[in-house]
This record gives sequence, C-alpha cells and structure tokens, in this order.
Amino acid sequence: GDSVTQMEGPVTLSEEAFLTINCTYTATGYPSLFWYVQYPGEGLQLLLKATKADDKGSNKGFEATYRKETTSFHLEKGSVQVSDSAVYFCALRDRSNDYKLSFGAGTTVTVRA
Amino acid sequence: GAGVSQSPSNKVTEKGKDVELRCDPISGHTALYWYRQSLGQGLEFLIYFQGNSAPDKSGLPSDRFSAERTGGSVSTLTIQRTQQEDSAVYLCASSLDGRPRENEQFFGPGTRLTVL
Repeated sequence: GDSVTQMEGPVTLSEEAFLTINCTYTATGYPSLFWYVQYPGEGLQLLLKATKADDKGSNKGFEATYRKETTSFHLEKGSVQVSDSAVYFCALRDRSNDYKLSFGAGTTVTVRA
Repeated sequence: GAGVSQSPSNKVTEKGKDVELRCDPISGHTALYWYRQSLGQGLEFLIYFQGNSAPDKSGLPSDRFSAERTGGSVSTLTIQRTQQEDSAVYLCASSLDGRPRENEQFFGPGTRLTVL
C-alpha cells in the first residue's frame, strides 16, 4: 500500500539556519505530493504541493521538488524564522484512491531566536 | 469565510462510555474526511464522505466506530464503548469534491479525545 516516510524529529535550529526535512514515499502509479504544516494550537494547513514528476512546490520560502527517480519530496528552507516552529507532515494522494491522503509521522521543528 | 469547525475541542471520557464528535465542513464542500492522529504516529485515514454517502470506510479501526453525514453538511463520528487506545486527536477535513486529486483538503482544529 501507499506509505510515506519522513525523517524523525525533533529538529532544533537557530534562526537563519538551513532546514531540510527528508520525505520518501511508496505508491502505485504517480501520486500527488504534499507538505502540510501544523502550527502550535492550530489545524493542519497545506504548505505546498506538486502533482507530477520534476514539479517544484513553493510557499513562504519553503520548497520541495517531486523526484520520481528517488521517490522523494524533501522540504527545504534556506533561512528559518522562529515563526516556522511547527510540525511538518509529508503526504501523498495516489491515483487509485485520489481522495485519501496518506501521511508521514510528522517532524517537529523548533527554531530558536 | 468560515473554515472547518469541530466540537468539542477536548473530550475526556471514561472507558466504556460512548462519545460523539462533530464536524462542520466549509459551506459548499461536498467531500468530507475523518482522520485520526495518535500520539507518536502520523495521521491515519478513517472514512470519506461524498455527499451523504461513505464510499470508503476502510480506515475505521473497529465496529465500535461509525460515522454519518446528514444534509450533505454536518458529520458525526461516534465511538461506542471507548477504549484507552482510542485516545487521539480526531481531525476532520473537507474539500470541494473528492476528485480530482488536486483538490485541497481543508482541516479543522481537531478534537482531542482522552479515554481514562
């Protein structure tokens, strides 16, 4: 079945540091890929997405590129801020069940001033 | 406009009691989803509604779990005879339609259920 594996946290960084959260997936066909973010006390929000190979999703300084050859969708940000402290979830929607999101376990990121 | 709302935000119950969790989707969204986020685990899919019908109930963990949706709007997730392993955050999401797959799912803030 579909699955998403993302790097375990927690991750603690200083402000302006570079952030990478690794995400790999297993799916039949060609899924759409997503990063969701959950800020403290808030609900899940879509951060970015990519729907086909080599697409790059970007938002709020975050980027992730859909790599079919490595089945990966790593999240990156060049200079993090305290406000980026949150839990980040990688997710996919497969073509065979294109309504259902399959999520990774989540990575908690804490950015220190 | 208003987002997805869920109630209650927190629920503490005793083992063996029944609980009902409510979800109000975004107006006009025909698709509705329930997910569960257990401690230390990612979110797991429970059930999907398109209108009032549930084409996929495959994620419901046992027959103690049921859900319904009325009027193509509000949904209720019911857990009967709660067990401690049911403790989790229950998230509801809605989207304009279940398909195509690019339609964004908007999530509510969740209901934190604690079974003592």
